[in-house]
Amino acid sequence: GQQLNQSPQSMFIQEGEDVSMNCTSSSIFNTWLWYKQDPGEGPVLLIALYKAGELTSNGRLTAQFGITRKDSFLNISASIPSDVGIYFCAGLRSGAGSYQLTFGKGTKLSVIP
Amino acid sequence: DGGITQSPKYLFRKEGQNVTLSCEQNLNHDAMYWYRQDPGQGLRLIYYSQIVNDFQKGDIAEGYSVSREKKESFPLTVTSAQKNPTAFYLCASRSPGELFFGEGSRLTVL
Repeated sequence: GQQLNQSPQSMFIQEGEDVSMNCTSSSIFNTWLWYKQDPGEGPVLLIALYKAGELTSNGRLTAQFGITRKDSFLNISASIPSDVGIYFCAGLRSGAGSYQLTFGKGTKLSVIP
Repeated sequence: DGGITQSPKYLFRKEGQNVTLSCEQNLNHDAMYWYRQDPGQGLRLIYYSQIVNDFQKGDIAEGYSVSREKKESFPLTVTSAQKNPTAFYLCASRSPGELFFGEGSRLTVL
């Protein structure tokens, strides 16, 4: 099935730095979801975006729903060691009783203390 | 607590054996999903169910089977026909605008 283009695939940053990652698609979505997954665990929903242009924060996390509805980004400010994990995006397209979910392959974040 | 419970968390199976992974949710969601996650491949959809007593094949349904007899439960059976069953399996349920995952089940075939 289709997948979203998520970048970067991985990143190493120093503790305290800000992080930015994004997802792009050739298709329009109604909803963008961002998740964090720790090794051996299920993904945890961080932020949900429902409207083009919407900017939503959850603590040190900020995500935006792109104006074109084909992209979204996630920023993490002042990173800390527990931010380590894999972050991935999901796009949800719904209409006429059908739902299509598409996922990015993830961004692996490593934080150097 | 509301959420999705998968069991077992770890499972070992001999080749040629069927195994069933449990997924239970108390979120009152109609839609439930099973995904397989392999390193470097992202999430791949195995089966999904929009409502009780109905389910549809996803992108990689071969070698798997499901049932949806109750709203809360969506068990996945990995049959001996699945050629490469060792993987991390994730169950999810969906509200109209959000998707929630269970903690996952890691299946290893010996």
